[in-house]
Amino acid sequence: EAGVAQSPRYKIIEKRQSVAFWCNPISGHATLYWYQQILGQGPKLLIQFQNNGVVDDSQLPKDRFSAERLKGVDSTLKIQPAKLEDSAVYLCASSLQVNSPLHFGNGTRLTVT
Amino acid sequence: KQEVTQIPAALSVPEGENLVLNCSFTDSAIYNLQWFRQDPGKGLTSLLLIQSSQREQTSGRLNASLDKSSGRSTLYIAASQPGDSATYLCAVRFTSNTGKLIFGQGTTLQVKP
Repeated sequence: EAGVAQSPRYKIIEKRQSVAFWCNPISGHATLYWYQQILGQGPKLLIQFQNNGVVDDSQLPKDRFSAERLKGVDSTLKIQPAKLEDSAVYLCASSLQVNSPLHFGNGTRLTVT
Repeated sequence: KQEVTQIPAALSVPEGENLVLNCSFTDSAIYNLQWFRQDPGKGLTSLLLIQSSQREQTSGRLNASLDKSSGRSTLYIAASQPGDSATYLCAVRFTSNTGKLIFGQGTTLQVKP
């Protein structure tokens, strides 16, 4: 089966600019996650979708981050405006159901200068 | 607060050695625990998933154990090889959460030839 697809792989932007990341989960996976991984740390959940509804966005900085999952398939994560501390790898993952194993994409490495 | 801790942060061993990576968590009420491997610049690859009702899981040279009562899991790697060099992450699904995985900070393993 095809894995989780993410794009772009790398992005460099200046602070206060905006950026968007795209994720296509494994076909049939109802649950989709966006994680932020800062260098040297474990991933931190930003938002979790069940189909096209938000299940958990308690750690999403909602003043600058937004995410959507239209039609319960692809998802986009947006940052506007970006800050230096947003430099990280943004990982998308999907699972068949809520408590099923997670499958991760290769991530998008964001550098904010 | 539900937390996952991995010690040590880094480990260097000679090739052929058997080794144990440790993971501890603060709440014994869990759905499951998952071990991942992360290579530099890559996403996370799932190694083993242990359900809360299980005590251990094995895959090849890897064996993961779970002791809920003490809040601990270990990942045992037998006969380590240079190709095992990577960061190993432990992640826990607590029952009070909506299926989100909470990650430890990882243990970076280097196996020297």
